[in-house]
Amino acid sequence: QKEVEQNSGPLSVPEGAIASLNCTYSDRGSQSFFWYRQYSGKSPELIMSIYSNGDKEDGRFTAQLNKASQYVSLLIRDSQPSDSATYLCAVSGGSNYQLIWGAGTKLIIKP
Amino acid sequence: DAGVTQSPTHLIKTRGQHVTLRCSPISGHKSVSWYQQVLGQGPQFIFQYYEKEERGRGNFPDRFSARQFPNYSSELNVNALLLGDSALYLCASSLQGDSNQPQHFGDGTRLSIL
Repeated sequence: QKEVEQNSGPLSVPEGAIASLNCTYSDRGSQSFFWYRQYSGKSPELIMSIYSNGDKEDGRFTAQLNKASQYVSLLIRDSQPSDSATYLCAVSGGSNYQLIWGAGTKLIIKP
Repeated sequence: DAGVTQSPTHLIKTRGQHVTLRCSPISGHKSVSWYQQVLGQGPQFIFQYYEKEERGRGNFPDRFSARQFPNYSSELNVNALLLGDSALYLCASSLQGDSNQPQHFGDGTRLSIL
């Protein structure tokens, strides 16, 4: 069964520091990788998508992909209290049309 | 531009009843996916529709059904409601029907079963 694993947390990071969120996946055929942010009681919001090995930067966010290790990460620089949320990793399902979702990592930024 | 819209936002039902949830995708998006999310878990895939055809179905009982209309809006129907159906139901749209496209979510429908 195809799986996406995330540490459930909570991950506590001081304000202004770098938050590092990690995700591993089981399907070597996966081609597309997405990070979503979900505030409590709200719906997921797309933050980043990454399709190639290496780093992709967007503002304070950097996604990193290593297909050989089946590992994708999200770095948040200069963390702000407003970054406190659950971060969901989603991975394309290889041969089918589904996204496979992790359970999310709860991030807490402490002022 | 309007994002994904879902209705209703909240719904309270009792066991045994049925419910219809509605979703309008982002303009130009042809694919709609439905998810169920309970507290502390990631979204669980229920259905995907693309161009009015069912593209995928998750591990949910036959009490769950859906359809997509010519204008690409979609309905999720749940019959014979159980207490365990209480959850946030999310609709997401994407341009095409493959999983390499990013999905954009509506605000969800929070369903409570009494």
